[in-house]
Amino acid sequence: AQKVTQAQTEISVVEKEDVTLDCVYETRDTTYYLFWYKQPPSGELVFLIRRNSFDEQNEISGRYSWNFQKSTSSFNFTITASQVVDSAVYFCALILTGGGNKLTFGTGTQLKVEL
Amino acid sequence: KAGVTQTPRYLIKTRGQQVTLSCSPISGHRSVSWYQQTPGQGLQFLFEYFSETQRNKGNFPGRFSGRQFSNSRSEMNVSTLELGDSALYLCASSGTGVAYNEQFFGPGTRLTVL
Repeated sequence: AQKVTQAQTEISVVEKEDVTLDCVYETRDTTYYLFWYKQPPSGELVFLIRRNSFDEQNEISGRYSWNFQKSTSSFNFTITASQVVDSAVYFCALILTGGGNKLTFGTGTQLKVEL
Repeated sequence: KAGVTQTPRYLIKTRGQQVTLSCSPISGHRSVSWYQQTPGQGLQFLFEYFSETQRNKGNFPGRFSGRQFSNSRSEMNVSTLELGDSALYLCASSGTGVAYNEQFFGPGTRLTVL
């Protein structure tokens, strides 16, 4: 069975600091997709990125960047120059290809950005 | 394009009762998945419906059931409610094509069982 681990339960930073959220996954399958979602206090999960197992290119979207390393089964997420609006719980998740839409989530990392 | 909508947003029930939650997916999306979120267990997959058929099922007791209608709207039912069923229930929809498993979530229904 697959598993996603987010070892950081809570991170606090001061605005404008860079912060990296760690995600480690386990699966015996060779084809899968990895995701990051943001959950602000309102509760709705906001889709951030999807990456398939064959694409190890890093991706940058504005202040967000993702580092996928298959060799270490990690898919880390970095926020550059953090802002108070980035405060939320961030979830890493995994879907097996051919497994329909069954997301396996990590336990989430609570990010608090303070002034 | 309107997002995923869920009704009701909040619900209070007592033990032993049953409850039905509704989810309307993004227009054109045919897959609807349901998740339960609790502080203790985190986010857990309940089931997925695609074209009115259950395609995936998580590890929940038979008290949890669902269905999907021809317009892709989905309902989830929980019978004989227990205190432990108190949770945020999230619905997600996804389309077809290259982005077939990008799931977009609704605001959730917060269920409290007393």
